[in-house]
Amino acid sequence: SQQGEEDPQALSIQEGENATMNCSYKTSINNLQWYRQNSGRGLVHLILIRSNEREKHSGRLRVTLDTSKKSSSLLITASRAADTASYFCASPTQGAQKLVFGQGTRLTINP
Amino acid sequence: GAGVSQSPRYKVAKRGQDVALRCDPISGHVSLFWYQQALGQGPEFLTYFQNEAQLDKSGLPSDRFFAERPEGSVSTLKIQRTQQEDSAVYLCASSLRWTGGTEAFFGQGTRLTVV
Repeated sequence: SQQGEEDPQALSIQEGENATMNCSYKTSINNLQWYRQNSGRGLVHLILIRSNEREKHSGRLRVTLDTSKKSSSLLITASRAADTASYFCASPTQGAQKLVFGQGTRLTINP
Repeated sequence: GAGVSQSPRYKVAKRGQDVALRCDPISGHVSLFWYQQALGQGPEFLTYFQNEAQLDKSGLPSDRFFAERPEGSVSTLKIQRTQQEDSAVYLCASSLRWTGGTEAFFGQGTRLTVV
């Protein structure tokens, strides 16, 4: 079962533009995490935002969290070709020992 | 090693064959996860270990799937009598001590193709 659903499923933009991906989740969370996966590779942790935080920055990444709407967004500013990857939101299920992932957004940055 | 290491990277198995996938977590990491990722999908949880104890195996799809971590470090995911629907990438992840609020470090995965 998937906890989160990303939107859009695929996004293609020009290098230098900003990319925004959204994630909606179903149950209450303690935190929400974003991961990146390059083609044929494992997942790399990008950023974690806790349930009592509304916004967090890391380099060119900006994550927001709206617990009332059960949604989060990941913004990548000034995109680069190297940002081409799939991006997943994930959250730990309460009381369960696992991180549950969404379906992902496939981001393509065109040079 | 510096990261989570999985072997083999690629495995082709004939239907009905048994396979064993290995995961070397980051040294000192207590928590270890196995995930299954179908093409174009997000990772699906299979099982979780804390040290040698398998605390959650609720995601294992059938009794053909078996995982172990006998000494609390290296883990093996075994699939018996493989079927075509088992074709996927199998990801291993480790965490220093999983509390839900820490990041997980993933290996590059083993791509299993059952023919």
